[in-house]
Amino acid sequence: SQKIEQNSEALNIQEGKTATLTCNYTNYSPAYLQWYRQDPGRGPVFLLLIRENEKEKRKERLKVTFDTTLKQSLFHITASQPADSATYLCALALFDGNNRLAFGKGNQVVVIP
Amino acid sequence: DAEITQSPRHKITETGRQVTLACHQTWNHNNMFWYRQDLGHGLRLIHYSYGVQDTNKGEVSDGYSVSRSNTEDLPLTLESAASSQTSVYFCASSDPGQGTYEQYFGPGTRLTVT
Repeated sequence: SQKIEQNSEALNIQEGKTATLTCNYTNYSPAYLQWYRQDPGRGPVFLLLIRENEKEKRKERLKVTFDTTLKQSLFHITASQPADSATYLCALALFDGNNRLAFGKGNQVVVIP
Repeated sequence: DAEITQSPRHKITETGRQVTLACHQTWNHNNMFWYRQDLGHGLRLIHYSYGVQDTNKGEVSDGYSVSRSNTEDLPLTLESAASSQTSVYFCASSDPGQGTYEQYFGPGTRLTVT
């Protein structure tokens, strides 16, 4: 069966350190993978997209890697700040040309001042 | 500014009632999606539409229906509400021509079925 796995335990990290989240998937062949941020009581907000032929993507303090052999994406927040505290969702493209997505359950990050 | 709105934001209803949740977007996006989010399950796709008069079932479509009569709106109807449909519902839209393929989400509707 198809699965997208993110760590269910919250990641508590000291301010200034790098937070690293993992997204593993099975029985998918995504053309691309996205990461979203979700704050309590709000809808997810798009952060980054990485394509299957890209190894790494950066946006400000965010870095995403995508290894289609390992079927894994890593999401890094460098120099983390308390404002980075949120739940982060990975989403895989079910590529039919119209960007239908399958989401992981999300991983909570808590940045401790 | 373009946006996507959902109404109501909170709804309490009784088992067996028909309920309609509204979703309205001003992005002029062809693609629209309905998800439900529950603890332990994450976001699950209920229905989606790739344009006017087009609707498709997602992974958890039983007990739900949608219709798309214009570009801006995709209302979600619960035909006969059940307690298992207590959840937070999110509507999203996207532009397939946009290179990032990002989905824009509404603020959500919290539905409680008693």
